[in-house]
Amino acid sequence: DAGITQSPRHKVTETGTPVTLRCHQTENHRYMYWYRQDPGHGLRLIHYSYGVKDTDKGEVSDGYSVSRSKTEDFLLTLESATSSQTSVYFCAISDTSGAYNEQFFGPGTRLTVL
Amino acid sequence: SQQGEEDPQALSIQEGENATMNCSYKTSINNLQWYRQNSGRGLVHLILIRSNEREKHSGRLRVTLDTSKKSSSLLITASRAADTASYFCATPYGNNRLAFGKGNQVVVIP
Repeated sequence: DAGITQSPRHKVTETGTPVTLRCHQTENHRYMYWYRQDPGHGLRLIHYSYGVKDTDKGEVSDGYSVSRSKTEDFLLTLESATSSQTSVYFCAISDTSGAYNEQFFGPGTRLTVL
Repeated sequence: SQQGEEDPQALSIQEGENATMNCSYKTSINNLQWYRQNSGRGLVHLILIRSNEREKHSGRLRVTLDTSKKSSSLLITASRAADTASYFCATPYGNNRLAFGKGNQVVVIP
């Protein structure tokens, strides 16, 4: 999957607990994205990064924060998980802006919040 | 929202047949992308067509783009069981963002 990994691949947690998902790439791509995928909603952008320490919000950013302290890692944090955040989370990377070139996706993380 | 919308949303065909799906979008774009997602996996980029292109081919895939109608179509010829997947169109919006449609599920029956 184009040198992109996500961890953990599966996680079950309880409401109110903090959760951090990690996306790691070995491609040295500048752009990194976090999406969530839910039935009936398709793929929705949570946050993205256009460089180290440079991030921007997507359409469903409430309840999520991100950090990118080095090129290869992009972390997604749910400060206090809620059941509505149960979803499959995908990370994607792109060499140039992912709006104008292909994005490469990781294998996904299935998160269940009880 | 710039989201594309695929039609039909679900398609079941026999192996060897062609599969056609459509995508409509709302505002002007400079490119449109198609992705495939196999069950339980991440999305895989299939093809990108730019606004100045009307048609593009990649192997058994043919994509058309009609900017006047704000629509695109993806044709898979001579389908195989391995083509069973969900297919998404995606259009750019804002800065560096892609908006994905809800997806089109294709089942190819051997």
